[in-house]
Amino acid sequence: AAGVIQSPRHLIKEKRETATLKCYPIPRHDTVYWYQQGPGQDPQFLISFYEKMQSDKGSIPDRFSAQQFSDYHSELNMSSLELGDSALYFCASSRGDTQYFGPGTRLTVL
Amino acid sequence: AQSVTQPDIHITVSEGASLELRCNYSYGATPYLFWYVQSPGQGLQLLLKYFSGDTLVQGIKGFEAEFKRSQSSFNLRKPSVHWSDAAEYFCALNNAGNMLTFGGGTRLMVKP
Repeated sequence: AAGVIQSPRHLIKEKRETATLKCYPIPRHDTVYWYQQGPGQDPQFLISFYEKMQSDKGSIPDRFSAQQFSDYHSELNMSSLELGDSALYFCASSRGDTQYFGPGTRLTVL
Repeated sequence: AQSVTQPDIHITVSEGASLELRCNYSYGATPYLFWYVQSPGQGLQLLLKYFSGDTLVQGIKGFEAEFKRSQSSFNLRKPSVHWSDAAEYFCALNNAGNMLTFGGGTRLMVKP
């Protein structure tokens, strides 16, 4: 069965640079979620989109933005990167109440 | 506000022994509850979920969980642990807005 696809899987950036993470949901899933998992921590909800509209917002910094496109894929844009942004970023998708997670993008900020 | 607590940060069991991972939640209504498993550097795989109905739910890999409203708990169990079960386990609650709130996770180690 198709799963959630995230790219890139690994990303290394310098401080103050920008990064774009991509997420391709499971086909026919209408909702996409972004989570951030710091080292040794549980995932924290950032933002979600339902049918291309933002539906919920969590602890997402103002430096971050996201959107969902007409083909339902989503992108998380991160600007002015800080060392503390180093984390595993997960995308999940759903059609209903069960979220299925992608493998994550590991972002390292140097 | 909702919250999820996993009291045990680390648990070590011998291979073949039974396992119970604890999860307690706080939520004003009937929650949607999930257990996910995460191997090192990997994504989160859904083990099982509870929405309503039978309070004992079966999941993949031989796991089950029991919802106990009176104790606000949703503990995960497995009768016989395999070495491949070593991973981090997260209990999560889905609020009305569908964002997941996770517990802090329990790292399971399996002794040969």
